[in-house]
Amino acid sequence: GENVEQHPSTLSVQEGDSAVIKCTYSDSASNYFPWYKQELGKRPQLIIDIRSNVGEKKDQRIAVTLNKTAKHFSLHITETQPEDSAVYFCAASGGADGLTFGKGTHLIIQP
Amino acid sequence: GAGVSQSPSNKVTEKGKDVELRCDPISGHTALYWYRQSLGQGLEFLIYFQGNSAPDKSGLPSDRFSAERTGGSVSTLTIQRTQQEDSAVYLCASSLWYGGRGNQPQHFGDGTRLSIL
Repeated sequence: GENVEQHPSTLSVQEGDSAVIKCTYSDSASNYFPWYKQELGKRPQLIIDIRSNVGEKKDQRIAVTLNKTAKHFSLHITETQPEDSAVYFCAASGGADGLTFGKGTHLIIQP
Repeated sequence: GAGVSQSPSNKVTEKGKDVELRCDPISGHTALYWYRQSLGQGLEFLIYFQGNSAPDKSGLPSDRFSAERTGGSVSTLTIQRTQQEDSAVYLCASSLWYGGRGNQPQHFGDGTRLSIL
């Protein structure tokens, strides 16, 4: 089955700086890669996703890049703000049993 | 409803009791997923349904856990003879399902926070 590794487990950045979270996956058949944001005590919410026929996707301050050859994808957040503080999960899917999630990255935005 | 609905939002019970957790998916979503999230941890996949059938039950932690879905809609997750290690947030998600591959966005409910005393 699919295996997703996510790094780092904790990331602390100064407000206004950029943050990058990286994930690798094992199944070359995976073709869908979503990112979820989970604030403390809340449900995971989809913030951006990318499919394997696209190399990059942007939505305002967030972007996701995908390298199919290397089997890794990354989340980029620019001009970070206090409300970006949360746990971020990457996931990969291509199999019949849906998404496989990474273990999460705790993003801390320092004022 | 507009989103995935889970009930109860909180459940406190004594060790050894049975509990039943409910998930009402987004209307029209044929796929439904159950996850478990322990405090500060990631999402542990438990089981998924395509329609009313669960093709893979291997993610269930033990035979005390079971799940069913009827009418292609509401699902219940049942934990028998609860243990303290069952304490966690149980999250449900639903999605559309195309082409037999689970590559559609999953939408999560708020979860049930289960505490075993």
